[in-house]
Amino acid sequence: DAGVTQSPTHLIKTRGQQVTLRCSPKSGHDTVSWYQQALGQGPQFIFQYYEEEERQRGNFPDRFSGHQFPNYSSELNVNALLLGDSALYLCASSLDRAPWQDNSPLHFGNGTRLTVT
Amino acid sequence: AQRVTQPEKLLSVFKGAPVELKCNYSYSGSPELFWYVQYSRQRLQLLLRHISRESIKGFTADLNKGETSFHLKKPFAQEEDSAMYYCALKEDTGNQFYFGTGTSLTVIP
Repeated sequence: DAGVTQSPTHLIKTRGQQVTLRCSPKSGHDTVSWYQQALGQGPQFIFQYYEEEERQRGNFPDRFSGHQFPNYSSELNVNALLLGDSALYLCASSLDRAPWQDNSPLHFGNGTRLTVT
Repeated sequence: AQRVTQPEKLLSVFKGAPVELKCNYSYSGSPELFWYVQYSRQRLQLLLRHISRESIKGFTADLNKGETSFHLKKPFAQEEDSAMYYCALKEDTGNQFYFGTGTSLTVIP
């Protein structure tokens, strides 16, 4: 089991450009969440995808968008990049469970390091 | 609003000494609390969760609702415990995890 895989590992973009990050969830998982981790900070929730739809969104602008495919993999797109978007972007997968069941913890990928110049 | 606070950015202890990493949260409902750990050059991984009430690698954490705390403890620190530790909270409504800023633990041989 490869766990959560993310690509690319590193990326350098110029301000104003657009970027797409990719994530394959852990085998058996159906839910994908994206987090942004700035230097010296903890991960911050961007959004979560389940059944190919955005189920919940954090406090991020519309420049951040995503997609989930039928095989549960996901993409994070960021438009009109700003210098402040430079961060480690983490993908985390989990298994959606019924309300009476224990929540599934998050399984993280290694992240994509995005640098905006 | 900051849901999770980890007051110590850096913590150093000697091998064999007890260690406590502090975590306080702000939430009025029934949250689920987690500790995640990131060892050098590895991905962020779950260490333990409060509902499991288990000890992982000698670590325990008790949810104290009165003090809104979820401190991580280990009686005898080992060198391999050196890592970055993040406390995280999941609200009983919603799917978002809130992470603290992390505590970097160094165990001195």
